[in-house]
Amino acid sequence: EAAVTQSPRNKVTVTGGNVTLSCRQTNSHNYMYWYRQDTGHGLRLIHYSYGAGNLQIGDVPDGYKATRTTQEDFFLLLELASPSQTSLYFCASRAGLGGGETLYFGSGTRLTVL
Amino acid sequence: QQKVQQSPESLSVPEGGMASLNCTSSDRNFQYFWWYRQHSGEGPKALMSIFSDGDKKEGRFTAHLNKASLHVSLHIRDSQPSDSALYFCAVSSSGSWQLIFGSGTQLTVMP
Repeated sequence: EAAVTQSPRNKVTVTGGNVTLSCRQTNSHNYMYWYRQDTGHGLRLIHYSYGAGNLQIGDVPDGYKATRTTQEDFFLLLELASPSQTSLYFCASRAGLGGGETLYFGSGTRLTVL
Repeated sequence: QQKVQQSPESLSVPEGGMASLNCTSSDRNFQYFWWYRQHSGEGPKALMSIFSDGDKKEGRFTAHLNKASLHVSLHIRDSQPSDSALYFCAVSSSGSWQLIFGSGTQLTVMP
């Protein structure tokens, strides 16, 4: 089973604070994704990447930056956190772009912005 | 932006019963429909994918795809309490990097 590890598991910050969420995959997958999960909205794509140094904008990118430093590591940055960014965040990876390629998720980071 | 609609939002079935979940896409360029399952406190995990018309069976789980209507269903027979989870439908499209997810169906299997 492919491994995707996220940290921290939980994070609390204040409005205007800086937050970095980390994700590491050891599957040698090219593609990595950041999603947020909110009740009634399902999983919405924030940013994604196909390799170190590459970044693509997803469907809900406002207020988020991301950086892919290596094949394994993908970070999500909130530089001025707002309460609307309180959510459950998931990182995911997959090997290729074929429609049948499985997307593997981490266990999530629950972020609360006070 | 294409949409993925799931129904019902929530579903309760008795242990041993049949659960039926539905999903419709607005994208005629889809390649695959996927079903993912998420237990509380965990990340989603892939259950199965389907791309051809008809049925695909994996154990107690059967997916049925109607490409003409862009509709897929998931049927869980002999439901177990461990099947209680949030079920997501997702669609992959030709030329796209991402999966588009629906908002999910919360399934509760009552002992």
